[in-house]
Amino acid sequence: NAGVTQTPKFRVLKTGQSMTLLCAQDMNHEYMYWYRQDPGMGLRLIHYSVGEGTTAKGEVPDGYNVSRLKKQNFLLGLESAAPSQTSVYFCASSLSGGVLYNEQFFGPGTRLTVL
Amino acid sequence: AQSVTQPDIHITVSEGASLELRCNYSYGATPYLFWYVQSPGQGLQLLLKYFSGDTLVQGIKGFEAEFKRSQSSFNLRKPSVHWSDAAEYFCAVGADSGNTPLVFGKGTRLSVIA
Repeated sequence: NAGVTQTPKFRVLKTGQSMTLLCAQDMNHEYMYWYRQDPGMGLRLIHYSVGEGTTAKGEVPDGYNVSRLKKQNFLLGLESAAPSQTSVYFCASSLSGGVLYNEQFFGPGTRLTVL
Repeated sequence: AQSVTQPDIHITVSEGASLELRCNYSYGATPYLFWYVQSPGQGLQLLLKYFSGDTLVQGIKGFEAEFKRSQSSFNLRKPSVHWSDAAEYFCAVGADSGNTPLVFGKGTRLSVIA
């Protein structure tokens, strides 16, 4: 099993450009998450999904959109990138069990720089 | 809503010395507690978790943590640190209602010196 994979690993954007980050998991997990990690801020939840076709806002959702069209994929979109969105983005997934406190499995991260 | 505090931003220990990383949580009911480790350039990996039962839990890589309800703490310990333990460590708390995502602390960076 590959676990959780993220594409791309690195990306540089100019302000105002758009892009989509792809997260894929092969563990048949129901729940998926997008986080951003910034120095001194720890991990902050952007959006999450409790199943195919569902999404919910996390702590810092502004400027991002997500879609979960397939159970194994969770896409994070930036419609108009801003320098404040320079960060490392992590995707994670977890088993359901009907609860959101199960162990999360993390991808390797995407380092995004917005100039 | 639950919250978690890691009071130490950066800790430096000598190789072979003991380690304790602090984690304090705030949650009115039964918490579900986790410690994750992030090696440089990597994603997070679960070290251990506490759901119920014995308050002293063992994890991977020789780590353990103790849940103390009276102190709202879940401190991570290791008796003898290895250079490869240099990483960032995150504590996380989940609510027993199960309907809110985990909340992560801001992390503690561990440096290991010879």
